[in-house]
Amino acid sequence: AQSVTQLDSQVPVFEEAPVELRCNYSSSVSVYLFWYVQYPNQGLQLLLKYLSGSTLVKGINGFEAEFNKSQTSFHLRKPSVHISDTAEYFCAVSDMGGSEKLVFGKGTKLTVNP
Amino acid sequence: DTGVSQDPRHKITKRGQNVTFRCDPISEHNRLYWYRQTLGQGPEFLTYFQNEAQLEKSRLLSDRFSAERPKGSFSTLEIQRTEQGDSAMYLCASSHTPLLGTQYFGPGTRLLVL
Repeated sequence: AQSVTQLDSQVPVFEEAPVELRCNYSSSVSVYLFWYVQYPNQGLQLLLKYLSGSTLVKGINGFEAEFNKSQTSFHLRKPSVHISDTAEYFCAVSDMGGSEKLVFGKGTKLTVNP
Repeated sequence: DTGVSQDPRHKITKRGQNVTFRCDPISEHNRLYWYRQTLGQGPEFLTYFQNEAQLEKSRLLSDRFSAERPKGSFSTLEIQRTEQGDSAMYLCASSHTPLLGTQYFGPGTRLLVL
C-alpha cells in the first residue's frame, strides 16, 4: 500500500516570490509520482509527473519537481509565483503496473498575495 | 479531443433517494476511474474499469454504490438510499494504457444530500 504526506496544509506567499510545496511518500513497491492542481470548483489538472529517468521534472506553468528516492520525496517548486497560481495542489503516487490507481495527499492550499 | 465530461455538475437530493452520475471519458481511453473527494481532503479511489470490466473496488464502495461501464465507453455511478455522509465531489478520470499512469480528470459532480 502507498501513502502520501503533504507537510503543509496552507502556504501563503507574495507574488514573484519562490515557493516549495513538500511531498513525501511511502510505498513497498516502485511508484510513479504526480502533482495535480485544482482550481476552485474544478477537476484536477496534471502539472507534472515522474515515471523514470531524470529526477528533475519540468511541468506546465513554470513548475518543476525533483524526485529523491533516498528521502522518498517529490517536492514541487516554482521560482516566481503569480496571483493566478492560487489553487490547491495535490501530490499523488500510483503503483507501477496493476491498477495504477492514484493515492493522493491531503493537498496544500497555495495562496499568492499581491 | 474533448476531454473527460461528467453529468450532472451539481446534484442536490434528499436522504434516502437514489442518484446516478455519468462520466464520458476521452475517446479510446481504455481505463476509467472513479474517485470521491470530501471537503479539505484529497481524492480517494473508489473503483476502476479496464474496458467494460470492473477490476477493483475500494472498501469505501459500500453495497449502496454500484458502477458500470457497459460498452467500455461511458460509465455510470449509482448511489442507492443516499446518506448525508455521501455528500462529496465525485470525480471521474480516464487513461490509456500503455501510456503509463497519466489520468485525465473530469470537472466532477458535486453531490449534496440533505
